[in-house]
Amino acid sequence: SYVLTQPPSLSVAPGETARMTCGGDEIGVKSVHWYQHKPGQAPLLIIYFDSDRSSGVPERFSASNSGHTATLTISRVEAGDEADYYCQTSDSPRDPVVFGGGTKLIVL
Amino acid sequence: EVRLVESGGDLIQPGRSLRLSCVASGFTFDDFAMHWVRQRPGGGLEWVSGISRHSSETGYADSVKGRFTISRDDARKSVYLQITSLRPGDSALYFCARDLNSDYSVRPFFTFWGQGTQVTVSS
Repeated sequence: SYVLTQPPSLSVAPGETARMTCGGDEIGVKSVHWYQHKPGQAPLLIIYFDSDRSSGVPERFSASNSGHTATLTISRVEAGDEADYYCQTSDSPRDPVVFGGGTKLIVL
Repeated sequence: EVRLVESGGDLIQPGRSLRLSCVASGFTFDDFAMHWVRQRPGGGLEWVSGISRHSSETGYADSVKGRFTISRDDARKSVYLQITSLRPGDSALYFCARDLNSDYSVRPFFTFWGQGTQVTVSS
């Protein structure tokens, strides 16, 4: 089955830029979606179809997808951005949903 | 406003059964595929099951195939997950999520989520 690989954690100081990767075989030909999940809350779709921002998501959040890596970028990181971030794609009708293991963003 | 509210989670003994429910509001429920996603303690998100519009198709993760059954009642704007032969490994927070599309298996992703219902399997 298809595998998406995310680093377990990323630490960034406030005001800096966080870049979170999501690796997969030829992921660039697939559509990738990103979710933000804070403890005790419902997960939130923040990016869909590789780079489209969901309504209400700040422009500080952007994403790209090419080759074997999709990347979520958060500019000017704020304390409120601390959360788990998951990438997700679809491989086939038999394997319709694949999540990465998630990256915990820690704001120092 | 779109709302998804899950219920039915419980502390339950291994081998028993449980039915989770999710009630939707704020959108035309009939038009969309629906899914269940779980998060085990200390773990990430894991897709469990999906159901297409009008219950035309259903699908399951290999880890739950044969023990989980997804269904929907469009009149009640609800989706259900019947879980049988519960195992400790089924302990998780179970989320209900709405798809963008009507077919659960065609490039699905999740535009709205509920806050989840907790299932704990322990003797």
